[in-house]
Amino acid sequence: AQSVTQLDSHVSVSEGTPVLLRCNYSSSYSPSLFWYVQHPNKGLQLLLKYTSAATLVKGINGFEAEFKKSETSFHLTKPSAHMSDAAEYFCVVTLNDYKLSFGAGTTVTVRA
Amino acid sequence: KAGVTQTPRYLIKTRGQQVTLSCSPISGHRSVSWYQQTPGQGLQFLFEYFSETQRNKGNFPGRFSGRQFSNSRSEMNVSTLELGDSALYLCASAVTTPNTGELFFGEGSRLTVL
Repeated sequence: AQSVTQLDSHVSVSEGTPVLLRCNYSSSYSPSLFWYVQHPNKGLQLLLKYTSAATLVKGINGFEAEFKKSETSFHLTKPSAHMSDAAEYFCVVTLNDYKLSFGAGTTVTVRA
Repeated sequence: KAGVTQTPRYLIKTRGQQVTLSCSPISGHRSVSWYQQTPGQGLQFLFEYFSETQRNKGNFPGRFSGRQFSNSRSEMNVSTLELGDSALYLCASAVTTPNTGELFFGEGSRLTVL
C-alpha cells in the first residue's frame, strides 16, 4: 500500500527566507509524486511532479523538490518566500493509474 | 482555454435531501475525478471516470454516486444527506489518467448540510 505523510501541519516563515515543507511516502514500488498548492477558496494547482526522471525537480514559482529514495522523502523547498506563497500545500502519491493519495496538507504563513 | 468548471459553487441543503453537483472538464480531457475535502479528513478520493466508465472508487458509502456523459461532463450525486457530508467537493480533469500528468482542479462546490 502507498501513503504519504506531511510532517508539518503548519509552517511560518518571514518573507525572503527559505521555505521547507517535508513529505515522506511509503510505497511498494517507485511511485509518481506531486506537490500541489491551494490558495483560499480556490482549487488545487500543480507545483511540480516526479516521475522517475531527475531526482531534483523544478516547479513553478521558484519551488523545487528532491526525491530521495533511501529516505522515502520528497521535500519541497523555495529559497526565498514571497507573501503570495501563503497557501496550503499538498504532497501527493499515486496509488495506481487512476487514484491519488493526498497528504494532510501544510499551511504556510508568510510574515512581512 | 477554459478551465474546469464546477456548479453550483455554493449550496445549502438539509438532512435527508439529495444533491447533484456538476463538473465540466477542460476541452479534450476525458478523465474526471472527484474529491471530498473537509478540515478533519482532508482530501479524499471519491471516484474517477473515463469515457463514461467508472474506473476507480474510493471508500464512500453507496449514497455517493456519479456518472460521466459522452461529452466528458460529469455529475456526482449524494442522496439522503447527512451533516457529515458538509464539505468542499472538488472535481479534477486529466487528458487520460490522473497519475501521468497534470490534474486540473475546479474551484469546488461547497456544500453545507443543516
